[in-house]
Amino acid sequence: GQQLNQSPQSMFIQEGEDVSMNCTSSSIFNTWLWYKQDPGEGPVLLIALYKAGELTSNGRLTAQFGITRKDSFLNISASIPSDVGIYFCAGRPLDSNYQLIWGAGTKLIIKP
Amino acid sequence: EAGVTQFPSHSVIEKGQTVTLRCDPISGHDNLYWYRRVMGKEIKFLLHFVKESKQDESGMPNNRFLAERTGGTYSTLKVQPAELEDSGVYFCASSHVDEQYFGPGTRLTVT
Repeated sequence: GQQLNQSPQSMFIQEGEDVSMNCTSSSIFNTWLWYKQDPGEGPVLLIALYKAGELTSNGRLTAQFGITRKDSFLNISASIPSDVGIYFCAGRPLDSNYQLIWGAGTKLIIKP
Repeated sequence: EAGVTQFPSHSVIEKGQTVTLRCDPISGHDNLYWYRRVMGKEIKFLLHFVKESKQDESGMPNNRFLAERTGGTYSTLKVQPAELEDSGVYFCASSHVDEQYFGPGTRLTVT
């Protein structure tokens, strides 16, 4: 089946550093979504992207829909302790109306 | 506006028993989805309802899983009989169109 490769699997960073993570697919997606999951909670939508090349920001978060429609990245600038959690990318394939394919997640840990 | 709610938050059952998970979507959302995350792995799609109809159940692992959405409101996911590999976190999400909003999940442990 279709898969998304999300990297890195985990990141250990200092507070204040910038963070970058990405997802790639072997097939074309028509929607890319980035979610964050805190412990004991469900994933919360951060940014939704609908057009190739689209660059969207949400506060310190910026995400882009790759031109090839096969990748997306998420950047977090000037990380703070509450950024800790697991970040998931999810994409909707071209032949699907609603089903989302998910990456395995990037666990963000901020070093004290 | 109330978010997606799920019940119970945790369930521990023995292999062979039955468990029923419930999801209440955001009011007015016709689309309801069930997902499962096994520890450390990606979130996997199970099925999608539009109102009370199953639009896509291609992700359901086998016939031990039965999902219903009575009257197009809340949904239940029954696992009968449960097996060890069914352990994981079961998420429900709902949407009006594209953006899916998730509930907190039900953590199912089968021993």
